[in-house]
Amino acid sequence: VQLVQSGGGLVQPGGSLRLSCAASGFTFSSYWMTWVRQAPGKGLEWVANIKQDGSEKYYVDSVKGRFTISRDNTKNSVYLQMNSLRAEDSAVYYCARDRGRSFPSDYWGQGTLVTVSS
Amino acid sequence: EIVVTQSPATLSVSPGGRLTLSCKTSQTVSSNLAWYQKRPGQAPRLLIFGAFNRAPGIPARFSGSGSGTDFNFTITSLQSEDFAVYYCQQYNNWPPWTFGQGTKVEVK
Repeated sequence: VQLVQSGGGLVQPGGSLRLSCAASGFTFSSYWMTWVRQAPGKGLEWVANIKQDGSEKYYVDSVKGRFTISRDNTKNSVYLQMNSLRAEDSAVYYCARDRGRSFPSDYWGQGTLVTVSS
Repeated sequence: EIVVTQSPATLSVSPGGRLTLSCKTSQTVSSNLAWYQKRPGQAPRLLIFGAFNRAPGIPARFSGSGSGTDFNFTITSLQSEDFAVYYCQQYNNWPPWTFGQGTKVEVK
């Protein structure tokens, strides 16, 4: 099982960024996928997740209306489109896979740093 | 939203020692609680799921117990690689899937 992330970087407040997570080594279309973040010096925070077929998506309140999770099962990839970024969105973002919405995340990507600063 | 509270915030333990961490949830989560290890610069690692089940490949020195709202996580015979931050997470009532604030295990 591998989850390889890309797409982080430095962005100005109000800007946009798209994170990607490419999966391999398992049947991607059979798993929920999740994004979790860790701000500098802070704990883990669940951000969003998406059902196997994309029909259900959930978000933490602080990102609703600004972030969009999506997936492409033909490319074995999950994405996090982040718009209207704020300084408080600065964090390392991790993608992870879940067997279901009532299961924990058992494999995680390496993380990608997002820095929102002018 | 279920609030997850971990204690203590920091624990100092000698190598070879034993520790127990606490995790309490604001509402019952049945046994739908996991424990993760987080080392600096590394991704979180699932250790325990379903309150007491070790994830594949996790050594037997790691164990979990509890149900409802009160949970414990124990490491026996602490190894150097076990010094890290430990998080519990509930996945019973969602959204959101909530984490505790973490407990840092440091060398005494």
